[in-house]
Amino acid sequence: EDKVVQSPLSLVVHEGDTVTLNCSYEVTNFRSLLWYKQEKKAPTFLFMLTSSGIEKKSGRLSSILDKKELFSILNITATQTGDSAIYLCAVNSGNTPLVFGKGTRLSVIA
Amino acid sequence: NAGVTQTPKFRVLKTGQSMTLLCAQDMNHEYMYWYRQDPGMGLRLIHYSVGEGTTAKGEVPDGYNVSRLKKQNFLLGLESAAPSQTSVYFCASRPLSGPSYEQYFGPGTRLTVT
Repeated sequence: EDKVVQSPLSLVVHEGDTVTLNCSYEVTNFRSLLWYKQEKKAPTFLFMLTSSGIEKKSGRLSSILDKKELFSILNITATQTGDSAIYLCAVNSGNTPLVFGKGTRLSVIA
Repeated sequence: NAGVTQTPKFRVLKTGQSMTLLCAQDMNHEYMYWYRQDPGMGLRLIHYSVGEGTTAKGEVPDGYNVSRLKKQNFLLGLESAAPSQTSVYFCASRPLSGPSYEQYFGPGTRLTVT
């Protein structure tokens, strides 16, 4: 059975801290790994990763995939209160639905 | 493009009542999905469709039915609502192929069953 596990499940940090969110997976026929940010409403797309070792970056957020060890990390540097959200990791294995992890709830306090 | 829309945004039902949630997408996507999200449980797949006229069960299908009579619409039905179905429901769609397998989400429907 395909599985995606995120850790930690929740995290509280102060503004300016750097955080690392983890996502490990076990799926057959891996195609890509996706990160989403969910604030009060629907998840919004952050990154899609398909190749090991290539960092995707957007502002203070970055992510990297390790296909050998079957995990990805999402880094957020210099966190702000606006980064408070649930971060979801999902894995695409082709024509089957995305498999989502339970998410990491990040709270950034001033 | 409106993207993925959901109707209604909020609903309160009494136990035993029925209702239908409508999801519409204008991106000509083949795949459509219904999820429910409960605190601490992440997104759980209820049913999905890989094309017009096809549906399949997801992780938590019991108590729900779906139909995909038109490519752009995916309906989720609750025949006899139960308090355990109190949740936020998200619809999503994505294309069959292409450079990105990005999945697009609707804004969600908050359902309370009393």
